[in-house]
Amino acid sequence: DIVLTQSPLSLSVTPGEPASISCRSSQSLLHRTGYNYLDWYLQRPGQTPQVLMFAGSFRAPGVPDRFSGSGSGTYFTLKISRVEAEDVGVYYCMQALQNPLTFGGGTKVEIK
Amino acid sequence: QLQLQESGPGLVRPSETLSLTCTVSDVSVVSRPYYWVWIRQPLGKGLDWIGSYYDDGRTFYNPSLRSRATVSIDMPRNQFSLRLSYVTAADTAIYYCVKRGGPTAPVWGQGILVTVS
Repeated sequence: DIVLTQSPLSLSVTPGEPASISCRSSQSLLHRTGYNYLDWYLQRPGQTPQVLMFAGSFRAPGVPDRFSGSGSGTYFTLKISRVEAEDVGVYYCMQALQNPLTFGGGTKVEIK
Repeated sequence: QLQLQESGPGLVRPSETLSLTCTVSDVSVVSRPYYWVWIRQPLGKGLDWIGSYYDDGRTFYNPSLRSRATVSIDMPRNQFSLRLSYVTAADTAIYYCVKRGGPTAPVWGQGILVTVS
């Protein structure tokens, strides 16, 4: 199984400041098509996980452009250029390259 | 606009079978290159993949479920289903259906809480 390791486990950020979360994979997530099969999700308290990024760096419809995804192969990063209060929650990375689909353990983001 | 809606009983007794349906609107469940996924989340915990149904009819399951899970599609009703047999309290979770595949973002249903008690 592909293991995804997220860091940090938690993050406390001042509004308006940047934030960064990393996701390391035990195997390359680069498909032969050239796309990385890695998604990023935000789960706000009590809500359904919301897709932020798919294929590593493609922003999902409706996601603010302060969110960006980068990386390839085994190392990926989600960046928030300027954190807002509504960005609190748990962030997950997920790989869809092979079954079983697996998730990172999550990064909890709080506002200072 | 593509929407997925889970439905089914919110309470299931131990050792019985959990049956959930995901009704899909705006795209056919047999459309390529999409595939359909069930994911669950025990309350307060992380996300776990249950199984997937691919456009060619292949299915894959999380080995941890020890063959208790079955995923299928109902083309006339445009639905995607999950059956999980011999449930225990450990199967209490929010269950999500998800559309994946193709050059578009995944789409999740709102989820349904199923309690085994």
